[in-house]
Amino acid sequence: GESVGLHLPTLSVQEGDNSIINCAYSNSASDYFIWYKQESGKGPQFIIDIRSNMDKRQGQRVTVLLNKTVKHLSLQIAATQPGDSAVYFCAETPGGSQGNLIFGKGTKLSVKP
Amino acid sequence: GAVVSQHPSWVICKSGTSVKIECRSLDFQATTMFWYRQFPKQSLMLMATSNEGSKATYEQGVEKDKFLINHASLTLSTLTVTSAHPEDSSFYICSARDRGLAIYEQYFGPGTRLTVT
Repeated sequence: GESVGLHLPTLSVQEGDNSIINCAYSNSASDYFIWYKQESGKGPQFIIDIRSNMDKRQGQRVTVLLNKTVKHLSLQIAATQPGDSAVYFCAETPGGSQGNLIFGKGTKLSVKP
Repeated sequence: GAVVSQHPSWVICKSGTSVKIECRSLDFQATTMFWYRQFPKQSLMLMATSNEGSKATYEQGVEKDKFLINHASLTLSTLTVTSAHPEDSSFYICSARDRGLAIYEQYFGPGTRLTVT
């Protein structure tokens, strides 16, 4: 069974609406950040990345915002579709590492048709 | 391009037995491979970093004698769970880094679901 504290935060949106998923990262020395999408029973899928010398980066239907002052990262998905339903993880890479990724807790996105 | 495969995709084994999971980079050479473990409704936790031809570097709290990692070639790394117990049941995911790309870029495999009975 489940234990207290192990419930993933859930964001439920209507199809066509915009989604904003937030992440607080831990290491002020991290210099590279990535958002991943993970569908049930599958490995993480790269969505978008951003380096610490940037505060915004746009992709197709997705935008990542980085606020280093408060160590906050967000993922915006425009015109959310049912296929976007998944768990989203942010990940950070501490500077000077081998590229090791530290994953955040994850947010489950549910898109209602 | 940049495909990583894992085999098997799922496995059920009895307590006390050992299980080997393979991670392969199919169309690129991976100087470094990473092994992660993910429990239900939790995040991915890095277990170890494996460089081709050298010993793996394990994260704190991960028993290297229990989770044996071998990275014998630029396209294959294996994780062997020795003397498996029910608490080892988890989703094991590998990732690989292409030697030709930036240090940060990793490609993930589809994961292996291990159930120990």
